[in-house]
Amino acid sequence: NAGVTQTPKFQVLKTGQSMTLQCAQDMNHEYMSWYRQDPGMGLRLIHYSVGAGITDQGEVPNGYNVSRSTTEDFPLRLLSAAPSQTSVYFCASSYSRQNNEQFFGPGTRLTVL
Amino acid sequence: GDSVTQMEGPVTLSEEAFLTINCTYTATGYPSLFWYVQYPGEGLQLLLKATKADDKGSNKGFEATYRKETTSFHLEKGSVQVSDSAVYFCALSDRGDTNAGKSTFGDGTTLTVKP
Repeated sequence: NAGVTQTPKFQVLKTGQSMTLQCAQDMNHEYMSWYRQDPGMGLRLIHYSVGAGITDQGEVPNGYNVSRSTTEDFPLRLLSAAPSQTSVYFCASSYSRQNNEQFFGPGTRLTVL
Repeated sequence: GDSVTQMEGPVTLSEEAFLTINCTYTATGYPSLFWYVQYPGEGLQLLLKATKADDKGSNKGFEATYRKETTSFHLEKGSVQVSDSAVYFCALSDRGDTNAGKSTFGDGTTLTVKP
């Protein structure tokens, strides 16, 4: 199993550009989430999904869109990048409500100029 | 809503010293509790977990006990090594319907162990 994979690992954008961060898992996990990690602020939940076709907002959803058309994939779209979105982004998945430890991808380091 | 408060860092210890990182939580339901570790340039990985009161999670010499009466889940290790240098996150995940799939994390504690 590859676990949770994320692409790209690094990305530099200009203000106003859009892009999609890719996330995939091969563990047949029901739940998937996107977090951003900023210095001194821990991890903050952006969006999450409890199954294919079902998504919901987390703590900091503004400026981001998600969709989940398959169990495996959960892409995060930045609509119009802003410098405040400079961060490290982690995708995570968990198996079920009862078995709910998170498995994390390696992260995408995004810089918005 | 749910929240996790972690001991502020950074923490610097000498090799073989005793480690405690404090963690307390607030949750409306009956959560599972976790400690995750993050090494430089990597994602978080599960260190240990506990799912009910008085459960003790343990792994690689680290331990934490789920204390419902004090809403705490403190991380301990009797003798740290240089290789334990990392950032440690306390987290909770509610198994209820409304919070399924979400975890709440503390701000992280950076541990540096010197030889």
